[in-house]
Amino acid sequence: SQTIHQWPATLVQPVGSPLSLECTVEGTSNPNLYWYRQAAGRGLQLLFYSVGIGQISSEVPQNLSASRPQDRQFILSSKKLLLSDSGFYLCAWRKRRLGEAFFGQGTRLTVV
Amino acid sequence: DQQVKQNSPSLSVQEGRISILNCDYTNSMFDYFLWYKKYPAEGPTFLISISSIKDKNEDGRFTVFLNKSAKHLSLHIVPSQPGDSAVYFCAATGNQFYFGTGTSLTVIP
Repeated sequence: SQTIHQWPATLVQPVGSPLSLECTVEGTSNPNLYWYRQAAGRGLQLLFYSVGIGQISSEVPQNLSASRPQDRQFILSSKKLLLSDSGFYLCAWRKRRLGEAFFGQGTRLTVV
Repeated sequence: DQQVKQNSPSLSVQEGRISILNCDYTNSMFDYFLWYKKYPAEGPTFLISISSIKDKNEDGRFTVFLNKSAKHLSLHIVPSQPGDSAVYFCAATGNQFYFGTGTSLTVIP
């Protein structure tokens, strides 16, 4: 069966520090991968999606970047965090273009 | 620009009655629509979906309706149960996967 792992679960980082959140999927190949952010009291905002290795599409210009170095690995990064980067970050995958997406458990990021 | 909108941030329903959650989208190229249920500090879990070639899909107590001409979909839960209390997100997809802003449903025993 397929599983998605996202870590860490919680993270407190100072303003100006770098960020690296990792997401891996097991039990499937060539998944579509997604990064979302849920700010306090807000909906799920699509940040990046990838349909293949090295292929990244950005939805919102901001302080973050994403990379897909391997087929089932998706990384969300920042060189210098801002207070506004605080939120709940979710990674998701889906196999088919028309199908449901499955989510990781999320990372609660607090920038202080 | 919000491509998927849920205009009701909250909804309260008595146990046993019908819950109706609504969702509007702007992009006519979306061809697959989904509903998710979410608890705080957890990832969303998939509930039900519908392809753009259909106008209704039913799964137990959950039914999703799609009106393509109005770019509107809705989720009906009947009968509503206290365990249904959560935040519900609609989603619309092509290659991207966009979510609405969510509706917090409270089912009152």
